[in-house]
Amino acid sequence: QVQLVESGGGVVQPGRSLRLSCVASGFTLSTKGMHWVRQAPGKGLEWVAVIWSDGSKEYYVDSVKGRFTISRDNAKNTLHLQMNGLRAEDTAVYYCARDVGMCPVDWGQGTLVTVSS
Amino acid sequence: QTVVTQEPSFSVSPGGTVTLTCGLSSGSVSTRYYPSWYQQTPGQAPRTLIYSTNTRSSGVPDRFSGSILGNKAALTITGAQADDECDYYCVLYMGSGIWVFGGGTKLTVL
Repeated sequence: QVQLVESGGGVVQPGRSLRLSCVASGFTLSTKGMHWVRQAPGKGLEWVAVIWSDGSKEYYVDSVKGRFTISRDNAKNTLHLQMNGLRAEDTAVYYCARDVGMCPVDWGQGTLVTVSS
Repeated sequence: QTVVTQEPSFSVSPGGTVTLTCGLSSGSVSTRYYPSWYQQTPGQAPRTLIYSTNTRSSGVPDRFSGSILGNKAALTITGAQADDECDYYCVLYMGSGIWVFGGGTKLTVL
């Protein structure tokens, strides 16, 4: 069955970078669009980014444009989120999710990113 | 900036039926927004209940259903149970590669 496992979270100082990974199993990553969604402590879900199944397009929420980059390594069936210029407000649990019919459907367990000095 | 709206909180009696909604600050929700619904308990990842308006995700009981009611997307829970007490989120595809979540509804079963 579909399984998504995120990693790469941790504590990082403001302005620094971090790269999250999401290893997919049970399906071929290159055949599906993939999302990153985050949830700040005690807050609701926030959609962050998507990459189209063919990798041709990437889209981002305004608050991360120019700082975050979503990418995929099809050979390793792995999704990435490169996060640069991190801010305190980026502190959240980050989830990857598989798209089914223009909807995030299958979710990983999440990885916590804490931005703090 | 269009906001996706949800009731902040809702209450239902055990065994009762409740309908949660997902609207837009401007305009009407239709199937072209591909509304999806998620259930989340504290400390856990979201669980997809309904996607693309009314498709039930694998393993979700049929007492959860999705629809368009008037100008909003709706999640109806029939035969509410104690473990339905948690947070519910909707998300809409706004077009141009952008999705927006609603603020969530905290459901109480009492």
